[in-house]
Amino acid sequence: GENVEQHPSTLSVQEGDSAVIKCTYSDSASNYFPWYKQELGKGPQLIIDIRSNVGEKKDQRIAVTLNKTAKHFSLHITETQPEDSAVYFCAALSNFGNEKLTFGTGTRLTIIP
Amino acid sequence: KAGVTQTPRYLIKTRGQQVTLSCSPISGHRSVSWYQQTPGQGLQFLFEYFSETQRNKGNFPGRFSGRQFSNSRSEMNVSTLELGDSALYLCASSSPTTFTDTQYFGPGTRLTVL
Repeated sequence: GENVEQHPSTLSVQEGDSAVIKCTYSDSASNYFPWYKQELGKGPQLIIDIRSNVGEKKDQRIAVTLNKTAKHFSLHITETQPEDSAVYFCAALSNFGNEKLTFGTGTRLTIIP
Repeated sequence: KAGVTQTPRYLIKTRGQQVTLSCSPISGHRSVSWYQQTPGQGLQFLFEYFSETQRNKGNFPGRFSGRQFSNSRSEMNVSTLELGDSALYLCASSSPTTFTDTQYFGPGTRLTVL
């Protein structure tokens, strides 16, 4: 089955700097890659996603890149703000066979004011 | 549009008991997936229901079961609770065509087993 690895597990950046979180996946059939942000006491909130026919997608300060050949994808947050502090999860989904999201282990991002 | 709602938000049970959790998806969404979140195992897929049928299943024992009603609301049941079942149980809904699409999560039900 699919296996998703996420790095780093914790990340601290100065407010205004950029943050990058990286994930690798194992199943070449995976074709949908969402990123979720989870704040304390809340469920994961979708912040951006990318499908395998696209190499990059951007939404304001957030961008995701996908390298299908290397089977890795990354989340980039620019001009970080204190409200960006949260746990971020990457996930991968294959539309063939057992269609379920496989999540990475999460990255705790702390923005230092 | 209202988001995914889950009830109750918190539950405390003792070992051996059973529990039922409820999830109401976003209006118009017909797929509901359930996940267990623990500090040690992260987010793990339990099962997915679509049009009242279980379509996908994760690697959990048979004590974990679910169902979906005609209005797409879903319930999951855990029987013979164990200490290790303490977790945040999340449901997510999506509006798939032929395959699972973008999933939107509810706030979760925090289950504590004593």
